[in-house]
Amino acid sequence: KNEVEQSPQNLTAQEGEFITINCSYSVGISALHWLQQHPGGGIVSLFMLSSGKKKHGRLIATINIQEKHSSLHITASHPRDSAVYICAVNAGAQKLVFGQGTRLTINP
Amino acid sequence: DAGVTQSPTHLIKTRGQQVTLRCSPISGHKSVSWYQQVLGQGPQFIFQYYEKEERGRGNFPDRFSARQFPNYSSELNVNALLLGDSALYLCASRGLRNTEAFFGQGTRLTVV
Repeated sequence: KNEVEQSPQNLTAQEGEFITINCSYSVGISALHWLQQHPGGGIVSLFMLSSGKKKHGRLIATINIQEKHSSLHITASHPRDSAVYICAVNAGAQKLVFGQGTRLTINP
Repeated sequence: DAGVTQSPTHLIKTRGQQVTLRCSPISGHKSVSWYQQVLGQGPQFIFQYYEKEERGRGNFPDRFSARQFPNYSSELNVNALLLGDSALYLCASRGLRNTEAFFGQGTRLTVV
């Protein structure tokens, strides 16, 4: 079993829909990251959080440390949100352990 | 200020050859980590360097090695390339412990 599990693996939605991507982890962590990866490979950091909730524009990230679970929400989704979203956790030193990613496709 | 820069962006090598990938962290960042991302999977940790010392190593064979220079840039070396080494190699830099990680665009290595 992977230390970091994401669901769903693939998600297709219509423009405007509310999107939720989930991340569960099984190790002790000091922080959790949500990352966005576009075709071509570059990774952009969206959020780093260790408790509670963060919001940036249409993106919201929450984490429940007791339940070892985090969610990434996208409100009013747009085709430009189409990308792979990756959850990663700080699991010792500065090593990141990544989930397998969720491929999101938003259709116009 | 430039972000994390990696070179080259793309590379094609044949089996058995050796390759060197380079990474320059964000100015002021002393930590550099390397990750391998095989198509369709999440990145896997290879190495972490901080203040020019190896601070962590993932489950990769000894064919993989790295180093960090006094200016905190880093090189990842892979010897005796195998077809399975074909992947996107990502470099991430961070400032202090438990701060946000910044990623380069990656080097896409194809071994034929």
